[in-house]
Amino acid sequence: RKEVEQDPGPFNVPEGATVAFNCTYSNSASQSFFWYRQDCRKEPKLLMSVYSSGNEDGRFTAQLNRASQYISLLIRDSKLSDSATYLCVVYNTDKLIFGTGTRLQVFP
Amino acid sequence: DVKVTQSSRYLVKRTGEKVFLECVQDMDHENMFWYRQDPGLGLRLIYFSYDVKMKEKGDIPEGYSVSREKKERFSLILESASTNQTSMYLCASSFPNSLAGGTTGELFFGEGSRLTVL
Repeated sequence: RKEVEQDPGPFNVPEGATVAFNCTYSNSASQSFFWYRQDCRKEPKLLMSVYSSGNEDGRFTAQLNRASQYISLLIRDSKLSDSATYLCVVYNTDKLIFGTGTRLQVFP
Repeated sequence: DVKVTQSSRYLVKRTGEKVFLECVQDMDHENMFWYRQDPGLGLRLIYFSYDVKMKEKGDIPEGYSVSREKKERFSLILESASTNQTSMYLCASSFPNSLAGGTTGELFFGEGSRLTVL
């Protein structure tokens, strides 16, 4: 079983839609959680950290469910520019573990 | 802005050649990392370093070595390139966390070096 698992997608959604991705992790001792964004042929960049109480940054909401060992990312009012791959990242035992990513394609 | 610069965006090498991938960061970060990224496998950690002259094996160190002689520079070396090392290589740097020297979680990546081994 992979340490961090994501649905690879693609998720194809129209502009203005709300879309959500989940990510599950296997190590219950994982300490910190993040979402990164990677545009096509570009490097990954930190999108947001995920806090225990859930957190929001504009149209983006991240949530953590420790009991079920998953994190989620919700994007409201999708824009064309949101098209990218979203990487779930988990920090445990002094290392960051990256998921393989979920691809989002927003169409007009 | 943090800048992580990788020396080559695209390289083509032959099997058995020695390959150097250079990475320089300008933010005085203690931590530096080398990953490779392959379709369906995501980013996998090859080596990392939390200080000058220090190096630690990641998840897939076989066939690779690293050098960190200066704080800003972290080099990845393929002693004898093989076709299964064809990949996108990403260097990253970060601040340490305040407690144990691990990363805070925010990695700053270079643009990547796409290596093809024939």
